Amino acid sequence: DVKVTQSSRYLVKRTGEKVFLECVQDMDHENMFWYRQDPGLGLRLIYFSYDVKMKEKGDIPEGYSVSREKKERFSLILESASTNQTSMYLCASRSGTLYEQYFGPGTRLTVT
Amino acid sequence: GDSVTQMEGPVTLSEEAFLTINCTYTATGYPSLFWYVQYPGEGLQLLLKATKADDKGSNKGFEATYRKETTSFHLEKGSVQVSDSAVYFCALITNQAGTALIFGKGTTLSVSS
Repeated sequence: DVKVTQSSRYLVKRTGEKVFLECVQDMDHENMFWYRQDPGLGLRLIYFSYDVKMKEKGDIPEGYSVSREKKERFSLILESASTNQTSMYLCASRSGTLYEQYFGPGTRLTVT
Repeated sequence: GDSVTQMEGPVTLSEEAFLTINCTYTATGYPSLFWYVQYPGEGLQLLLKATKADDKGSNKGFEATYRKETTSFHLEKGSVQVSDSAVYFCALITNQAGTALIFGKGTTLSVSS
């Protein structure tokens, strides 16, 4: 079975802190994604990557950056966390174009 | 651009009731369509999918048929259980390299015994 793991289930950070969310997949997938999930807004794509060192902005990239130095790992970085970035963050990976996306369990980030 | 619209919830049903969650889409070309489910405290997992018109996806008693003429992919189950309580997301992807799934906003289903 494909496994997507995220470094933390719950995270509490202070405003202005630099925050790293890590995601690792074990199925050699080319594509990896970061979404945030908020009540009433569904899932919104932040960034995705279709290859090592490649990245594309999603719908809401402002305030975020990403890093993909190895194929299995995709990191989301909040350079200076703000309270409006309090959310559930979901990582996903996929092989090819028309196949299933596999999701991690999510990281619930609270910025105080 | 491409988009997915699904009925707003919450949907509240009694056990063994019939379930329909409506989903319509707008897309260029011929997308593949998916239903994902998110149980409390968990990430999303694929429930079913359909990759071309008239395909029927099915899993765990849930079904959805890809209707190109009505651009719809409604989720149905004949008899829901308490364990089906979750958030359901309709999603699509088009056949273009470097694209991501586009999700609807999700529909919360609550089933009581």
